[in-house]
Amino acid sequence: SQTIHQWPATLVQPVGSPLSLECTVEGTSNPNLYWYRQAAGRGLQLLFYSVGIGQISSEVPQNLSASRPQDRQFILSSKKLLLSDSGFYLCAWNEGFYEQYFGPGTRLTVT
Amino acid sequence: QQQVKQSPQSLIVQKGGISIINCAYENTAFDYFPWYQQFPGKGPALLIAIRPDVSEKKEGRFTISFNKSAKQFSLHIMDSQPGDSATYFCAATAGAGSYQLTFGKGTKLSVIP
Repeated sequence: SQTIHQWPATLVQPVGSPLSLECTVEGTSNPNLYWYRQAAGRGLQLLFYSVGIGQISSEVPQNLSASRPQDRQFILSSKKLLLSDSGFYLCAWNEGFYEQYFGPGTRLTVT
Repeated sequence: QQQVKQSPQSLIVQKGGISIINCAYENTAFDYFPWYQQFPGKGPALLIAIRPDVSEKKEGRFTISFNKSAKQFSLHIMDSQPGDSATYFCAATAGAGSYQLTFGKGTKLSVIP
């Protein structure tokens, strides 16, 4: 069966510091991978998606970037965090275009 | 046109009652409508989903009703339990060629004993 992991689970970072969040999926090959952000009490905003190694599509222009160095690994990065980057970051995967399965999330607090 | 409008924003239901959450969409290209359940501090979990070729889908106490002509769909939770207290999101996607799930803003359900 497929499993999705995210780490770290929680992170507190000062403004201006770099960021690296990691997501890995087990039990599948060539999945589509997604990064979402969920602000407190709000819906899910799609940030990036990837349909293959090195292929990244950005949905929202901002100071975040994503990379997919391996088939089942998706990384969310920032060179300099802003206060507005605080939120709950979720990675998701699917095969094809329908059901998406979410990871446990990373709670990021920028201070 | 890409929006999915979800209501109500919050809902309080007594144990054993029926919880109903509604969503409406404009994009007629949408062809897959999932519902997600999210507990505090956790990732959303796929609960149930429907395609527009059926008007209703039932899984246990959870039922999706779909009205294609009205472009509306709803989640019904029968015999609601305190353990159902969570935030529920509806979503929609245009399927083949589209990688984006469009989410509603969520409904916080509280089931009181």
